[in-house]
Amino acid sequence: EVQLLESGGGLIQPGGSLRLSCAASGFTFSSYAMSWVRQAPGKGLEWVLGISGSGGSTSYADSVKGRFTISRDNSKNTLYLQMNSLRAEDTAVYYCAKGVYSTVSTSLFDHWGQGTLVTVSS
Amino acid sequence: DIQMTQSPSSLSASVGDRVTITCRASQGISNYLAWYQQRPGKVPKLLLYAASTLQSGVPSRFSGSGSGTDFTLTISSLQPEDVATYYCQNYNSAPFTFGPGTKVDIK
Repeated sequence: EVQLLESGGGLIQPGGSLRLSCAASGFTFSSYAMSWVRQAPGKGLEWVLGISGSGGSTSYADSVKGRFTISRDNSKNTLYLQMNSLRAEDTAVYYCAKGVYSTVSTSLFDHWGQGTLVTVSS
Repeated sequence: DIQMTQSPSSLSASVGDRVTITCRASQGISNYLAWYQQRPGKVPKLLLYAASTLQSGVPSRFSGSGSGTDFTLTISSLQPEDVATYYCQNYNSAPFTFGPGTKVDIK
């Protein structure tokens, strides 16, 4: 059974940094691209970043480019999201999502974690 | 960037009704269109991909159609457990935009 477990969310002041983790199990982690998708309170879904199965390719939404970094450690079956220069508008539940393919150029998501809430506020 | 729109933004229908949701892409995405269901307080769930292919385990009352820029999701006979927000997604090219969602509830 595929399981994705996010951690690392919390309350952070504007301008601060936070690192999220997503521990994966139940599938061959290195064979699949992974993404982070966020959902602001009461709002819709927004894809923010993706990384290929090998970790060699990444893709970012303009809203986070230069501030957020996605990475993965295939030896630990773990996905990461480093968030810097956080803004109030980054407040959201951040979901780790498993891609159907190994490439990040086509990102369709068949499994989602439960999400971790990041609140950016002073 | 490709923009995704959906209509209606919300709808209310009776159990057993046929429900149709429309999704439009700002430019052609072939059939790289997915539909997700998010029940209240729950995680999104993949319903269909390639515009019309049902994900494993999804009831056959869900169906999809379309290609290019115009797509539809149909629930042939609405059930109480279908109360949810439905999102379409372009997965053809980054950014992999989602539509704003269509909230479906029971009349």
